[in-house]
Amino acid sequence: GAVVSQHPSRVICKSGTSVKIECRSLDFQATTMFWYRQFPKQSLMLMATSNEGSKATYEQGVEKDKFLINHASLTLSTLTVTSAHPEDSSFYICSARTGQASYEQYFGPGTRLTVT
Amino acid sequence: QQQVKQSPQSLIVQKGGISIINCAYENTAFDYFPWYQQFPGKGPALLIAIRPDVSEKKEGRFTISFNKSAKQFSLHIMDSQPGDSATYFCAASIAGNTPLVFGKGTRLSVIA
Repeated sequence: GAVVSQHPSRVICKSGTSVKIECRSLDFQATTMFWYRQFPKQSLMLMATSNEGSKATYEQGVEKDKFLINHASLTLSTLTVTSAHPEDSSFYICSARTGQASYEQYFGPGTRLTVT
Repeated sequence: QQQVKQSPQSLIVQKGGISIINCAYENTAFDYFPWYQQFPGKGPALLIAIRPDVSEKKEGRFTISFNKSAKQFSLHIMDSQPGDSATYFCAASIAGNTPLVFGKGTRLSVIA
């Protein structure tokens, strides 16, 4: 299957600081990437859909000014958690579709964010 | 409103047995139904997927059964092994760039 990477895998930051998470499609071009958040023992919660070269579409209840998403190229999308607070601590996972006509969606390994 | 209902929430199966996880959906526009496997601390991995034009798809020990009229689909894991112990998610989506809608997950434990 297609490979999606995330960096960093784990990050600890202080409250009030910003953290950037990178999501890369390694062996394919991804016109669409998705960002999810997952709490312990729960399902994946879609945060936003990111299309290359355009503004991300955020799900209801997700603050777009807090969770900044940039999809600058066909292989890279970034999620920046601004002014992080302890309640932002979570497991963040990105995924990518292998093509505009493709149904398959591949996930990155996830980033564990801890805000102290 | 949950669009994909998954059951059971947890499942314990003996080694060598068959694990069965069920999902039901409401939106008849869904036309892609994947299953994902997730180990603790890892991202979900695509296991197997089916489109509504077939009723069954098999890949190794994993089989999806699809019942369009009942709006249900299920994952069967044959000869379950301890290494299959993970959380399994069913999902559904509509053609194009629509996001996947996930079930709540099933925690499978395969015991020796």
